[in-house]
Amino acid sequence: GAVVSQHPSWVICKSGTSVKIECRSLDFQATTMFWYRQFPKQSLMLMATSNEGSKATYEQGVEKDKFLINHASLTLSTLTVTSAHPEDSSFYICSAPGRTNTEAFFGQGTRLTVV
Amino acid sequence: DQQVKQNSPSLSVQEGRISILNCDYTNSMFDYFLWYKKYPAEGPTFLISISSIKDKNEDGRFTVFLNKSAKHLSLHIVPSQPGDSAVYFCAASASSGGSNYKLTFGKGTLLTVNP
Repeated sequence: GAVVSQHPSWVICKSGTSVKIECRSLDFQATTMFWYRQFPKQSLMLMATSNEGSKATYEQGVEKDKFLINHASLTLSTLTVTSAHPEDSSFYICSAPGRTNTEAFFGQGTRLTVV
Repeated sequence: DQQVKQNSPSLSVQEGRISILNCDYTNSMFDYFLWYKKYPAEGPTFLISISSIKDKNEDGRFTVFLNKSAKHLSLHIVPSQPGDSAVYFCAASASSGGSNYKLTFGKGTLLTVNP
């Protein structure tokens, strides 16, 4: 089946620094990718929709200047958490729709810890 | 506003018995439903799905039932195995036929299958 690779799987950074998370579709092209965030014991919350060649669409309440999304190619989307703070510590997951648009393939997730 | 609800945060069953995970939704536009399994620090993996035109879909030990009038679906695992122990997420979508496919997730149910 389709594979989505996310990197890094975990990262620790200092407050005020920026962190980039990559999401790659390995055997298919993804014009759209989704970025989710999961807090402990909470649901996966959609943050934004990444569109190849155009601006990302952000969900209500998500700061677009803080969570920069770039989808420069059909196989790569990146999420950059800028000026990270401890409250940004979370589990971030990307996904891409399948060929039939009936399911989504998920990356392995990134555990971000801001200290 | 939680559009997809999994009211049981956890469930414990004995190996060999049936596991029943429940999910309710409020958005009548949802017409496609999926179940994902998630291990700690990993991305969700797709288990089984069902379209609103069906009321049952079966795949090996996994069966999903959909009751549209009650806006309720359930995942049955039989027989349950210790390796099934994970968090199970119910997800729903209002398919548009386009590429902007979004999933709305429940909070998940932690299933523990005891040997």
